[in-house]
Amino acid sequence: EAGVVQSPRYKIIEKKQPVAFWCNPISGHNTLYWYLQNLGQGPELLIRYENEEAVDDSQLPKDRFSAERLKGVDSTLKIQPAELGDSAVYLCASSSDSGAYNEQFFGPGTRLTVL
Amino acid sequence: QKEVEQNSGPLSVPEGAIASLNCTYSDRGSQSFFWYRQYSGKSPELIMFIYSNGDKEDGRFTAQLNKASQYVSLLIRDSQPSDSATYLCAVISGTYKYIFGTGTRLKVLA
Repeated sequence: EAGVVQSPRYKIIEKKQPVAFWCNPISGHNTLYWYLQNLGQGPELLIRYENEEAVDDSQLPKDRFSAERLKGVDSTLKIQPAELGDSAVYLCASSSDSGAYNEQFFGPGTRLTVL
Repeated sequence: QKEVEQNSGPLSVPEGAIASLNCTYSDRGSQSFFWYRQYSGKSPELIMFIYSNGDKEDGRFTAQLNKASQYVSLLIRDSQPSDSATYLCAVISGTYKYIFGTGTRLKVLA
């Protein structure tokens, strides 16, 4: 069974440019998460989807970040415009549900560098 | 107070020893507890989960949960250099939020 797929793996952009990340979750997993991970820190949730609905986006900086999961499978996370402080690893994870006992599986991440 | 706290380390143990990694959490309504291993430059990988008070063993790994003390730990027996990584504790809170600690860096010395 294929794991969570993310692309690109690395991205270098100049500040104020837009950037987008793509994620394909494990087949059959209805719940999809986007996390941000800074060096030496744990993952921090940006947004959680149940199918195509964003059920928790309280930590998403909505002035510059947006996300979508139109058909309840693939998801895209966008930053526009990027700032120097956005340099981090962006992780996508999926789980079969979102209850109290779900286990999340992570993709390889996208390492973003903003110059 | 952080919701999930871990000592950042590094925790250094000799090869063959027991490594003990600890995690405390603040939400008494938390129901599920996970340990992830993250190698440098890689994404987190789930190694253990525990839902009930007590111990849960899986190979060389044992997770221990004490809900009264709001404490969860991971023991790694017969530690190997390949166990050197950052170990992330994650908790599903009472509102079903998945919250990670900052991780403990483990170094197993050959």
